[in-house]
Amino acid sequence: QKEVEQDPGPLSVPEGAIVSLNCTYSNSAFQYFMWYRQYSRKGPELLMYTYSSGNKEDGRFTAQVDKSSKYISLFIRDSQPSDSATYLCAMSLAGSYQLTFGKGTKLSVIP
Amino acid sequence: DAGVTQSPTHLIKTRGQQVTLRCSPKSGHDTVSWYQQALGQGPQFIFQYYEEEERQRGNFPDRFSGHQFPNYSSELNVNALLLGDSALYLCASSLDFGTQKETQYFGPGTRLLVL
Repeated sequence: QKEVEQDPGPLSVPEGAIVSLNCTYSNSAFQYFMWYRQYSRKGPELLMYTYSSGNKEDGRFTAQVDKSSKYISLFIRDSQPSDSATYLCAMSLAGSYQLTFGKGTKLSVIP
Repeated sequence: DAGVTQSPTHLIKTRGQQVTLRCSPKSGHDTVSWYQQALGQGPQFIFQYYEEEERQRGNFPDRFSGHQFPNYSSELNVNALLLGDSALYLCASSLDFGTQKETQYFGPGTRLLVL
């Protein structure tokens, strides 16, 4: 079992839809959780960063962390064609400098 | 505000050769991490450099080595290249202070093809 599991998709939604992206993890010691967006042939871009459990909102993006279920989510409201990219979840342990990534979910938003 | 820059953008090498990739961190950052991203996979942590020392290393062989310079820029060296080393190599920078040390900002990557 991999430390971080993420459905690779692809996920295709119509413009304006609410998108839900998810990751599960096996190591309950993970404390820091991130979502990155990666456009084709580019480096990952940090979208959201959360510490421990709870919700965080930034514009059309909401990140949720449920440590009891070892489950994190990213919601995108009013999705746009420009949101079409691969979304990577990442997490790290307290005191560790290593990010552990999921495989990424490829999202397409259809106009 | 200059972001993370990497050079070269693309590279083609032959099995057994050696390669050096370069990274300049985001302005104000002092820490550099290197990741390998195979096609269709998430990035895998190679190692992190801080104060010109390797601070933490992932599960990569000694063929992978690095260096950090006094201006915080960094190099990744890979010796005795294998076909399986073909990947996108990503550099990420961060600031070793408070909660900011967990947030890493990535460069565009160097795409290495080993033939």
